[in-house]
Amino acid sequence: DIQMTQSPSSLSASVGDRVTITCRASQGISNSLAWYQQKPEKAPKSLIFDASGLYSGVPSRFSGSGSGTDFTLTINSLQPEDFATYFCQQYKTYPFTFGQGTKLEI
Amino acid sequence: EVQLVESGGGLVQPGGSLRLSCAGSGFTFSSYWLTWVRQAPGKGLEWVANIKHDGGEKYYVDSVKGRFTVSRDNVKNSVYLQMNSLRAEDTAVYYCARAHGFATFWGQGTLVTVSS
Repeated sequence: DIQMTQSPSSLSASVGDRVTITCRASQGISNSLAWYQQKPEKAPKSLIFDASGLYSGVPSRFSGSGSGTDFTLTINSLQPEDFATYFCQQYKTYPFTFGQGTKLEI
Repeated sequence: EVQLVESGGGLVQPGGSLRLSCAGSGFTFSSYWLTWVRQAPGKGLEWVANIKHDGGEKYYVDSVKGRFTVSRDNVKNSVYLQMNSLRAEDTAVYYCARAHGFATFWGQGTLVTVSS
């Protein structure tokens, strides 16, 4: 199975900051990578597809980049509603696998 | 409005069975792959299984192979997860998602608790 490793596991930031979360795949996955946001007791929300595609309705302060094994999610000008846990997911090879999550805290 | 509504969760004893359902509306159900993802309490997301538009292809994570079966009924706009030989480690919120790889829409989840 492809292992997805996110860093950091947790991150403290302030409103207005720019933050970057990294996701590394244990083998190359081309650009078959997604990012999701999840708030406590809620279903995940889809953010980014194909490593850099912004999903419909997602604010432009979110962006993704990378290819192969190394990927990043960047959030510019953090807003209060962005404090949540973020997960990456590869969908290149079955079983599709998620990273362990990055908790973004104030 | 796109909606996915899961049901069927609950408390079950180890070794028991449960069938989850997910009803879709607001989109052409028969045109989409559907996926089950689970989340154990306080843990991350785990991809469980998916099924092609016509039910002709199904894939599973190794930990559920031989125990779980995904199916769908495109007339009833529903996807199912039959879970047999349940273990404590299957305890989780189970989400249904409109997805092949990237999930474009998620249900609200249903909690499955495996305990004696």
